[in-house]
Amino acid sequence: SQQGEEDPQALSIQEGENATMNCSYKTSINNLQWYRQNSGRGLVHLILIRSNEREKHSGRLRVTLDTSKKSSSLLITASRAADTASYFCATDSNSGYALNFGKGTSLLVTP
Amino acid sequence: EAGVAQSPRYKIIEKRQSVAFWCNPISGHATLYWYQQILGQGPKLLIQFQNNGVVDDSQLPKDRFSAERLKGVDSTLKIQPAKLEDSAVYLCASSANRGQWNEQFFGPGTRLTVL
Repeated sequence: SQQGEEDPQALSIQEGENATMNCSYKTSINNLQWYRQNSGRGLVHLILIRSNEREKHSGRLRVTLDTSKKSSSLLITASRAADTASYFCATDSNSGYALNFGKGTSLLVTP
Repeated sequence: EAGVAQSPRYKIIEKRQSVAFWCNPISGHATLYWYQQILGQGPKLLIQFQNNGVVDDSQLPKDRFSAERLKGVDSTLKIQPAKLEDSAVYLCASSANRGQWNEQFFGPGTRLTVL
């Protein structure tokens, strides 16, 4: 069963705006990761946040984690058309670090 | 560094036929994963190998799916016989170690259509 649930399912913004995606999960985790998938391509790892961390930055990406609410958010600042993709949160399982993915948020950035 | 290679990229078969997918992980990566991604959903783990041993195959439909990783390098995933609901993208990923988190690197996937 899928662990994470992203919200919203789809998001459409204009270049330069910020995009915020949320993820909720059900069970305890060691790490939470965000991946990006361009249409017809494999997944690319964006950022990982550990369960004892609350916020992490990488370039234009900012991830927050609230373990009490079992939720995370991914913020992409100053979005570009090239950011158009699907974004998935993934949590590690108990059985040895395989990933449990949510259904993803489809982001469309228009010029 | 070469990425994870998968073949074929696309496959169309009729139900009840058999199909096999191949994956070559990044050199030196001990852990290999097969995921199934149905349209509109996130990937779901089918099986995880550590070297040539199976770590987790709890979500693999073993009545029709099988996978092997001979010599702890390349891996094949087979479906026999295929059903309509098997239409999906099959993603292979690899990571350096199982203990402690290691980034998973994904291949481009094989898109399977079952008619």
